[in-house]
Amino acid sequence: DTAVSQTPKYLVTQMGNDKSIKCEQNLGHDTMYWYKQDSKKFLKIMFSYNNKELIINETVPNRFSPKSPDKAHLNLHINSLELGDSAVYFCASSRVSDEQYFGPGTRLTVT
Amino acid sequence: GEDVEQSLFLSVREGDSSVINCTYTDSSSTYLYWYKQEPGAGLQLLTYIFSNMDMKQDQRLTVLLNKKDKHLSLRIADTQTGDSAIYFCAESAGTYKYIFGTGTRLKVLA
Repeated sequence: DTAVSQTPKYLVTQMGNDKSIKCEQNLGHDTMYWYKQDSKKFLKIMFSYNNKELIINETVPNRFSPKSPDKAHLNLHINSLELGDSAVYFCASSRVSDEQYFGPGTRLTVT
Repeated sequence: GEDVEQSLFLSVREGDSSVINCTYTDSSSTYLYWYKQEPGAGLQLLTYIFSNMDMKQDQRLTVLLNKKDKHLSLRIADTQTGDSAIYFCAESAGTYKYIFGTGTRLKVLA
């Protein structure tokens, strides 16, 4: 049973395209997150959602739009993809102020 | 600032102890965490320590916390080749925000 799942695992696309990454958790957590891990493995938080509401937006360009249709899902839509968006994107979930459970990551390559 | 610093690389021989260090910034952090990331995978929680503790031991793992110096360390006893991975420390910087360290790549030599 996968706790936090993401699709797709790999995504290769051209500059200017729009793409989405989906995330689902079956842990019953109220809080979900998106992180970006760059080529040097630095991990930075992008968004936090609690009970489907945006709590934290860490100065992410507005080309990135998270959407939470329900507490178990947090999808990430990216418009007008740029080369610098190439990274591994991780979804995570947690109870409030508790340990986080991470998804396996989506490797996005923009050409 | 919000930087959580770690040394980038550590190499040890199999059977030796590994010590991974972390310096964090937010003295109000309630919990501090250690995560492990294996190649091509997401992060997995290894252990955590509550901010009012100095030490926590969990099998081969020992976490030491020095709140005065904002220093956290993870000691892995009897390091095995399967311990080779990237290790991240993280602090809870508010209710919904976590700040991760730069990651330490541990390489275990057979």
